[in-house]
Amino acid sequence: GAVVSQHPSWVICKSGTSVKIECRSLDFQATTMFWYRQFPKQSLMLMATSNEGSKATYEQGVEKDKFLINHASLTLSTLTVTSAHPEDSSFYICSARVSLGWAFFGQGTRLTVV
Amino acid sequence: EDQVTQSPEALRLQEGESSSLNCSYTVSGLRGLFWYRQDPGKGPEFLFTLYSAGEEKEKERLKATLTKKESFLHITAPKPEDSATYLCAVQAEAGNMLTFGGGTRLMVKP
Repeated sequence: GAVVSQHPSWVICKSGTSVKIECRSLDFQATTMFWYRQFPKQSLMLMATSNEGSKATYEQGVEKDKFLINHASLTLSTLTVTSAHPEDSSFYICSARVSLGWAFFGQGTRLTVV
Repeated sequence: EDQVTQSPEALRLQEGESSSLNCSYTVSGLRGLFWYRQDPGKGPEFLFTLYSAGEEKEKERLKATLTKKESFLHITAPKPEDSATYLCAVQAEAGNMLTFGGGTRLMVKP
């Protein structure tokens, strides 16, 4: 099946610093990628939809200036958590759609802000 | 607003004890219903997509079915390695995004 690679798988950063998470579609082109956030024992919450070559569409309540999304090519989308604080600690997951019925997920990134 | 409700939240089974997980949904025109498996600390792993009522799909010990209001994930003779959280999601005809249910955490004891 299609492969979505997310990097890093975990990161620890100091409060106030920025962290970049990469999401790559390895064997297909993805015009649209999705970024989710997941708290322990909870389901995935969509943060934003990333469109290649255009601005991301953010869900209500998600700060676009804090969670910067860039989709520079058909195989790469990045999420940058700016000026991270402990409350940003979470599990972040990206997803890419191959076609109408297929959506694949990255391995996830565990962010811990200390 | 699209809604997805999964039940039960958690399910403990003995190895070999078959059961079903439920996913109830309301959506303004269903484009697809997705089932995923998620292991702790990992991203969701795609299992099935169902498109229309009456459709069924199988993979090893798993079988997914779909009606106009709900989907079931049947697990036949589960093994400990089937322990995971199973997520259900729907995509509406008009939208591009998936709406997820809360998941069912399955634990299979040997």
